[in-house]
Amino acid sequence: KAGVTQTPRYLIKTRGQQVTLSCSPISGHRSVSWYQQTPGQGLQFLFEYFSETQRNKGNFPGRFSGRQFSNSRSEMNVSTLELGDSALYLCASSPVVYNEQFFGPGTRLTVL
Amino acid sequence: QKEVEQDPGPLSVPEGAIVSLNCTYSNSAFQYFMWYRQYSRKGPELLMYTYSSGNKEDGRFTAQVDKSSKYISLFIRDSQPSDSATYLCAMNRDSNYQLIWGAGTKLIIKP
Repeated sequence: KAGVTQTPRYLIKTRGQQVTLSCSPISGHRSVSWYQQTPGQGLQFLFEYFSETQRNKGNFPGRFSGRQFSNSRSEMNVSTLELGDSALYLCASSPVVYNEQFFGPGTRLTVL
Repeated sequence: QKEVEQDPGPLSVPEGAIVSLNCTYSNSAFQYFMWYRQYSRKGPELLMYTYSSGNKEDGRFTAQVDKSSKYISLFIRDSQPSDSATYLCAMNRDSNYQLIWGAGTKLIIKP
């Protein structure tokens, strides 16, 4: 089976812009979670989608949003980018529940 | 105080040594405990998955959970340079709840 794929792998944006990141889960996996990873804060949970519904959301501002499509592919959007949004954004898919998560390689976002 | 505490390291040990990586947590409701390994420029991968207290062994890796002390450990025997990575612990109270993550410990195995 193909693993979790994320596009793009690298992205450079300027403050105030918006960005959309994409994640394709492992075939058959219905749960997709998004994380932000930074050296100082570690892995921070953004949100999780299951069958196109957001089941859980972390403590991030409303500038961070996501969605999931009927084929389980997911996108996350960050509007009005800030310097502090520079991070590795990871997507993980699971068959049903959270515990066995399979991660993609991440999208490294740099905000200038 | 964070729910899960993990020393970020780096932890540097010689090849062949036994490595001990640890996490402490504050929420006694946690029942599921995981260890992930993350190589540089890659996403984390699941190494070990345990439920409740006790030990679980898989090859050179042993995961240990002590719920009474709210302490989990990952032991690596006969460590290899290829084990050099960041090791993250994660846990939750129920498989329907989001994982709570440690900060990760950077491990360096010196040849």
